[in-house]
Amino acid sequence: SQTIHQWPATLVQPVGSPLSLECTVEGTSNPNLYWYRQAAGKGLQLLFYSVGIGQISSEVPQNLSASRPQDRQFILSSKKLLLSDSGFYLCAWEKGQGRLYGYTFGSGTRLTVV
Amino acid sequence: GQQLNQSPQSMFIQEGEDVSMNCTSSSIFNTWLWYKQDPGEGPVLLIALYKAGELTSNGRLTAQFGITRKDSFLNISASIPSDVGIYFCAALNYGGSQGNLIFGKGTKLSVKP
Repeated sequence: SQTIHQWPATLVQPVGSPLSLECTVEGTSNPNLYWYRQAAGKGLQLLFYSVGIGQISSEVPQNLSASRPQDRQFILSSKKLLLSDSGFYLCAWEKGQGRLYGYTFGSGTRLTVV
Repeated sequence: GQQLNQSPQSMFIQEGEDVSMNCTSSSIFNTWLWYKQDPGEGPVLLIALYKAGELTSNGRLTAQFGITRKDSFLNISASIPSDVGIYFCAALNYGGSQGNLIFGKGTKLSVKP
């Protein structure tokens, strides 16, 4: 069966420090991968998506970047964090082709920038 | 762009009551999905709907794909405390570019024992 892993679960970082959040998927190949951010009590904002290795699409201009160095690995990064980068970050995957069953989400990373 | 209007934003109900929430759009979709997010967790898929008019149940949950393909509703019968969370509708079209799963802003459900 397919599983998705995100880490770390929580993170407290000072303003100006770098960031690296990792997401990996097991049990499937060539998935579409997504990074979302959720402000407290709010909806889901799509940040990046990827349909293959090295292929990244950005939905909103921001202080963050994403990379996909391997088929089942998706990384969210920042060189210098801002206070406004605080939030709940969710990774999700879906099958790359065939009937769409919706996205499967990871358990999220709670990032607090102080 | 395409948007989903989800209502209500929040609900405070008594345990045992039925719940109803819906999503509407001015756009047509091929698929409607309903997710639930527990506090501090990622959303989990509850029900997926693929055909206009389709009515699907999952335990105490029932969801319908509107006949116009522009809306969907989710009902929860006989609510219990563990139903607490945020419910999101989502919609997409086959054959579109990846990354076009659109989410509603969520309905926050609180259940009083």
